[in-house]
Amino acid sequence: AQRVTQPEKLLSVFKGAPVELKCNYSYSGSPELFWYVQYSRQRLQLLLRHISRESIKGFTADLNKGETSFHLKKPFAQEEDSAMYYCALSGRDSGNTPLVFGKGTRLSVIA
Amino acid sequence: DVKVTQSSRYLVKRTGEKVFLECVQDMDHENMFWYRQDPGLGLRLIYFSYDVKMKEKGDIPEGYSVSREKKERFSLILESASTNQTSMYLCASSQQQDWAKVETQYFGPGTRLLVL
Repeated sequence: AQRVTQPEKLLSVFKGAPVELKCNYSYSGSPELFWYVQYSRQRLQLLLRHISRESIKGFTADLNKGETSFHLKKPFAQEEDSAMYYCALSGRDSGNTPLVFGKGTRLSVIA
Repeated sequence: DVKVTQSSRYLVKRTGEKVFLECVQDMDHENMFWYRQDPGLGLRLIYFSYDVKMKEKGDIPEGYSVSREKKERFSLILESASTNQTSMYLCASSQQQDWAKVETQYFGPGTRLLVL
């Protein structure tokens, strides 16, 4: 079974501090991992995906298959990063399966 | 720019009413999804569809049904609304170019449903 765990419901950091939002997954095959973000009063949107290996808005995430993790990191948090963040998994070996989302972490950046 | 629209932003219904939530996408996407979003529970998949007239149950299909008569439209139906169906409902769509590749999902703005 596929499962995504985001252990923190809420994460508060000060502006300029480093941020790490944790994501662990459970899947025996070859996973594809995503981070989606929802800013206040905006729709949910893709932030980044591990296969792209790119940095979006200063955020990066590395897939660690040994630790089955896909933590989202940013060296210096900004107030505009305050949002709800969801980690999501797709099991590519299963063909066209939908995403499995974690329960989300609300990031609050304090000025 | 991909556009996914949902028929209502806010909806108030009474217990027992039949409720229709409509979702339309304008990018010719094959895949469409319905989720509900609840605090502390994240996004939970209700139903999805890979093609016209095709539907698959998600994780929480009980109390819901769907209809996909046209490629661009995916409807979620609550046959007899109950108070525990009060939630934010999100529709999403994605392209399917390659069976083995997972494409980005594009979300609608959501419909906040209150069942009294």
